[in-house]
Amino acid sequence: AQTVTQSQPEMSVQEAETVTLSCTYDTSESDYYLFWYKQPPSRQMILVIRQEAYKQQNATENRFSVNFQKAAKSFSLKISDSQLGDAAMYFCAYLRGGSNYKLTFGKGTLLTVNP
Amino acid sequence: NAGVTQTPKFRVLKTGQSMTLLCAQDMNHEYMYWYRQDPGMGLRLIHYSVGEGTTAKGEVPDGYNVSRLKKQNFLLGLESAAPSQTSVYFCASSLDVQTGSNTGELFFGEGSRLTVL
Repeated sequence: AQTVTQSQPEMSVQEAETVTLSCTYDTSESDYYLFWYKQPPSRQMILVIRQEAYKQQNATENRFSVNFQKAAKSFSLKISDSQLGDAAMYFCAYLRGGSNYKLTFGKGTLLTVNP
Repeated sequence: NAGVTQTPKFRVLKTGQSMTLLCAQDMNHEYMYWYRQDPGMGLRLIHYSVGEGTTAKGEVPDGYNVSRLKKQNFLLGLESAAPSQTSVYFCASSLDVQTGSNTGELFFGEGSRLTVL
């Protein structure tokens, strides 16, 4: 079974600084997707960024980027120029390719942004 | 532009009572899911459906039943609520994996907070 591990239950960052959230996963598959979801206090789950395992290039979405290390099974999220609105719970998630229903989530990292 | 809508958003039950959570999506998605979120546990899949009339068990299905009579709706039922089912429940939907434009993204509702006393 696939597992997703987020080793940092809580993180904090100063506004305008950069923070990196860690995620590791365990799988024997070669075809899969990785995601970072954000859950602000409103509870709404929002997709932040996604990465296909077959792509070597790291995904980037504005201030959000990932460091995807396939051999190490690591998928960290970097938030640059942190803003107060980035404060949220962040979940790393894994999806096996070809099966669009077994999304496995990590336990989450609570990010605090200090003004 | 509703997306995924869950009702009710809050509910308090007594042990042994029954209730149904309704999830509706207007994106014509084939796949629908019910997750529960508990502190320190992340999101865990309860049941899911890969199309109208189909349902399947997820990671934590015990104590729950589901039905997908219409493509746009996915119901989660608790026949005899227990305090262990106190949680926040999320419904989500996604495109069929065979769809060319499928990105694997799940679209979530806003969650339903259920308290069982």
